Amino acid sequence: SAVISQKPSRDICQRGTSLTIQCQVDSQVTMMFWYRQQPGQSLTLIATANQGSEATYESGFVIDKFPISRPNLTFSTLTVSNMSPEDSSIYLCSVVRAHTGELFFGEGSRLTVL
Amino acid sequence: QQQVKQSPQSLIVQKGGISIINCAYENTAFDYFPWYQQFPGKGPALLIAIRPDVSEKKEGRFTISFNKSAKQFSLHIMDSQPGDSATYFCAASGNFNKFYFGSGTKLNVKP
Repeated sequence: SAVISQKPSRDICQRGTSLTIQCQVDSQVTMMFWYRQQPGQSLTLIATANQGSEATYESGFVIDKFPISRPNLTFSTLTVSNMSPEDSSIYLCSVVRAHTGELFFGEGSRLTVL
Repeated sequence: QQQVKQSPQSLIVQKGGISIINCAYENTAFDYFPWYQQFPGKGPALLIAIRPDVSEKKEGRFTISFNKSAKQFSLHIMDSQPGDSATYFCAASGNFNKFYFGSGTKLNVKP
């Protein structure tokens, strides 16, 4: 399986601030996804981050709120901007292994907004 | 529209029993059906997966049964153990593209 490291693992933030989550993968991957998991809920895809192009956002998610960077094939960041308590969630980075199509997740970044 | 429907929402099983979780999908373009196990405070971990060219796949105590005509697939956990207590998610994808997840099943295996 791919080794995916996320930072921070958890944080407590104030309303109106922004937080950037980093995702580092131990091998080069083409497709990288960012998911949100609200407490006790399933996983919701925020966007697909491909190297060298703009991220593709799912319905209900916009670039101004969740800007994503993908500078190379092993790294990506997700920023949660102008946070509100409704943004309190676990944010998960995931990658697809080429050829097998298997999807692997990082441990997640647990964000609490006060 | 929910692409993958999962049931039950929660499940209590005695140690040694069989846990069964069911999922259904609508999109016939899906060609990959994984199951994930998630413990509190952890990211989802890939447990087992199946492709529609087979009707069953077994790995240890975990078995996926797949019914292509009914567009349903299920996870069976044989000889369930307290350590299996976790939340399980089914998922589906097509052409290694987007993954759509079920709503999750919280399994509690009682000793």
